[in-house]
Amino acid sequence: GENVEQHPSTLSVQEGDSAVIKCTYSDSASNYFPWYKQELGKRPQLIIDIRSNVGEKKDQRIAVTLNKTAKHFSLHITETQPEDSAVYFCAAMGSTSGTYKYIFGTGTRLKVLA
Amino acid sequence: GAGVSQSPRYKVAKRGQDVALRCDPISGHVSLFWYQQALGQGPEFLTYFQNEAQLDKSGLPSDRFFAERPEGSVSTLKIQRTQQEDSAVYLCASSPVVAGAGEQYFGPGTRLTVT
Repeated sequence: GENVEQHPSTLSVQEGDSAVIKCTYSDSASNYFPWYKQELGKRPQLIIDIRSNVGEKKDQRIAVTLNKTAKHFSLHITETQPEDSAVYFCAAMGSTSGTYKYIFGTGTRLKVLA
Repeated sequence: GAGVSQSPRYKVAKRGQDVALRCDPISGHVSLFWYQQALGQGPEFLTYFQNEAQLDKSGLPSDRFFAERPEGSVSTLKIQRTQQEDSAVYLCASSPVVAGAGEQYFGPGTRLTVT
């Protein structure tokens, strides 16, 4: 079935350093890849997304890259700040089943150390 | 504007009880999704509505789970005869997109604890 693998499960970085989170998806029909940030006890919030016809997208300190051939995509956060500490989820959306549902990764807990 | 809201935010049920979880999507959003998020895990898809039609219920874990959206706006997820393994956060999301990729807007979730 459809599956998204996410690594690492936890990541600690010093403030100001970069953080990279990687995801691999199984459904070759997936065409949309959002990244959500979830703070403790809060709802997931979209931080960036990328569509399958684009290889890279950047928004200030956040960037996402997509390699369709290898079926993997990555989140890059530069100049990390303590407020970046949260759990980050990648997701892949496809329509093979006719439903535009998200298949989520298992999450990465990012800790930015001041 | 108002986002997706869910109620109750917290629910404690004794094993065997029935529960009903409510989702109020963003006004005008056609698509509505329910997800189950176990502790330390990513959300897992349960079911999808397009207006009042339930087009996909492939993620519902058992026939104890039932969802409806009778007027194409508010949705209710009902769990009958709750079991301990049903303990999780239940997230609702809505989207203005009908058939295609786009952002889903999540509610704050209902944390269900079955004792």
